[in-house]
Amino acid sequence: DQQVKQNSPSLSVQEGRISILNCDYTNSMFDYFLWYKKYPAEGPTFLISISSIKDKNEDGRFTVFLNKSAKHLSLHIVPSQPGDSAVYFCARGFGNEKLTFGTGTRLTIIP
Amino acid sequence: NAGVTQTPKFRILKIGQSMTLQCAQDMNHNYMYWYRQDPGMGLKLIYYSVGAGITDKGEVPNGYNVSRSTTEDFPLRLELAAPSQTSVYFCASSFPPFTDDLGTQYFGPGTRLLVL
Repeated sequence: DQQVKQNSPSLSVQEGRISILNCDYTNSMFDYFLWYKKYPAEGPTFLISISSIKDKNEDGRFTVFLNKSAKHLSLHIVPSQPGDSAVYFCARGFGNEKLTFGTGTRLTIIP
Repeated sequence: NAGVTQTPKFRILKIGQSMTLQCAQDMNHNYMYWYRQDPGMGLKLIYYSVGAGITDKGEVPNGYNVSRSTTEDFPLRLELAAPSQTSVYFCASSFPPFTDDLGTQYFGPGTRLLVL
């Protein structure tokens, strides 16, 4: 069973500080991982992705780290801004057309 | 370029009624998907399609049906609505997974369905 787990349902971070969202996964064959961001009453929007051949991918304030030995994925947001308050989902693809999503982490940025 | 559009935005159904959730995309994506999201849960895949005329079951297909007659449209049919189908439904589309964007899925705004 291909699973991704987001063990923290919520996270609060001071504006300007670093936000770190975590995701753990089981199994690993030709995986790729994506982070999605979701505002209330909207569909998820793609944020950043990483393939299993990489350890890190960076896009502006967002960096995703992949620790294959620990089977752990993290998203760093630096610096955190009020508009980053949303629910973040990690998702994992494993060589076919289907993604498996985590249950999400609600990030709240405190002004 | 509208992306992925879904209609209706919100609907209330009585138990046993049926309805079709509409989804359309204008990005020429081969792949399309239907998900449901229950409160506090992740996205569960209902059905997906890799091209016109080809559909397959996802994780939670019971109580639903789909068809894909064109590249652009992927309607989801609910027959005999049940309270357990109360959820938010998202449609998504993508290019195949092994492409430059890793098959990034683009989502519609969702349809909120309440079955009473």
